[in-house]
Amino acid sequence: KAGVTQTPRYLIKTRGQQVTLSCSPISGHRSVSWYQQTPGQGLQFLFEYFSETQRNKGNFPGRFSGRQFSNSRSEMNVSTLELGDSALYLCASSLGSGNSPLHFGNGTRLTVT
Amino acid sequence: GESVGLHLPTLSVQEGDNSIINCAYSNSASDYFIWYKQESGKGPQFIIDIRSNMDKRQGQRVTVLLNKTVKHLSLQIAATQPGDSAVYFCAERDFGNEKLTFGTGTRLTIIP
Repeated sequence: KAGVTQTPRYLIKTRGQQVTLSCSPISGHRSVSWYQQTPGQGLQFLFEYFSETQRNKGNFPGRFSGRQFSNSRSEMNVSTLELGDSALYLCASSLGSGNSPLHFGNGTRLTVT
Repeated sequence: GESVGLHLPTLSVQEGDNSIINCAYSNSASDYFIWYKQESGKGPQFIIDIRSNMDKRQGQRVTVLLNKTVKHLSLQIAATQPGDSAVYFCAERDFGNEKLTFGTGTRLTIIP
């Protein structure tokens, strides 16, 4: 079974631009979550989607948004990029039952200059 | 405020020895716990999980112990190998909720 796939692996953007990251979950997984990982803050929860609906949201500004498609694939968008948005963005998928583990992709490394 | 960088606890273990990685969790309502391993350039990899109605669970070369009284979790790795070198994270979750809260991580280095 293929794992969680994230594209692209690396991105370099300029302050003020926007970016879209993509995630394909493990086949059969209906929940997709996004996390931001930085050396300073560690792993921080962004949001979780299940059946195209956002079920949970972390403490990030409105510039961070996401969506999920009917095939469970998900995208997250960051608008008006700031230098502090430089991070590894991780996507995780699960069955969505609340009692099964999340499985992570290898992330998208975003650098904002 | 400005981030100064998380100080990762480190643990160095001789190859072949057992290692124990500890984690304190904060939310007494958490009832599902997971250990992840993260190697350089990769995402966190699931190792083992445990529900709060258990105090011990074993996998292949790994054992997780849960002490709810003191809100403490540990991961034991038997007969460590060079491939075990990585950062290890514990994560906690309220039952029925997909959101994970991660610990700061521990860097495990295996000495050949």
